[in-house]
Amino acid sequence: DSGVTQTPKHLITATGQRVTLRCSPRSGDLSVYWYQQSLDQGLQFLIQYYNGEERAKGNILERFSAQQFPDLHSELNLSSLELGDSALYFCASSVVGVGTGELFFGEGSRLTVL
Amino acid sequence: GENVEQHPSTLSVQEGDSAVIKCTYSDSASNYFPWYKQELGKRPQLIIDIRSNVGEKKDQRIAVTLNKTAKHFSLHITETQPEDSAVYFCAATSTGNQFYFGTGTSLTVIP
Repeated sequence: DSGVTQTPKHLITATGQRVTLRCSPRSGDLSVYWYQQSLDQGLQFLIQYYNGEERAKGNILERFSAQQFPDLHSELNLSSLELGDSALYFCASSVVGVGTGELFFGEGSRLTVL
Repeated sequence: GENVEQHPSTLSVQEGDSAVIKCTYSDSASNYFPWYKQELGKRPQLIIDIRSNVGEKKDQRIAVTLNKTAKHFSLHITETQPEDSAVYFCAATSTGNQFYFGTGTSLTVIP
């Protein structure tokens, strides 16, 4: 158990719909990252938050948005879903401070768009 | 920004042989280089990491080497076992910044 909690674990929805994925980082970790992993693909970086502020942005579609709340949990919103959005979405957290720390991944949310 | 390249994309070895995966990076500011193992359908998990002030680190059958001058780092797995079969990702980052991942290496250990 990495200490990073993601919900839901599985989600099946239809094209055009909107979903929200939730992530609770490890206790004490201020930085949250979202990654998308399509079948047999690598880890595509979407976005990073640090203590509530957006820190870095990757190849995140305009249909996707995210935020980090004061209690440090984060949500990834995916709207106008397309078949190609089907993927495993990972949230990860890390300690950001004097030294860069390990990135801890959650179990992922598997999204299937039909 | 940083660019991490990883080779090979697939690797098959006989059980007991060694496996080597190589990564290069472009940003000299990167100072932390972790390696993650991802089994099918599971989350990536850290197996070993190295910081820029160290040239080599070992943990039982796994070792990582770093050449800052050439900007490359490598993962070495000795005496491979079937349970080592997985996808391995290298990454590079600097303090407070995003982690840049390689494209992954699918390792198959043949019994």
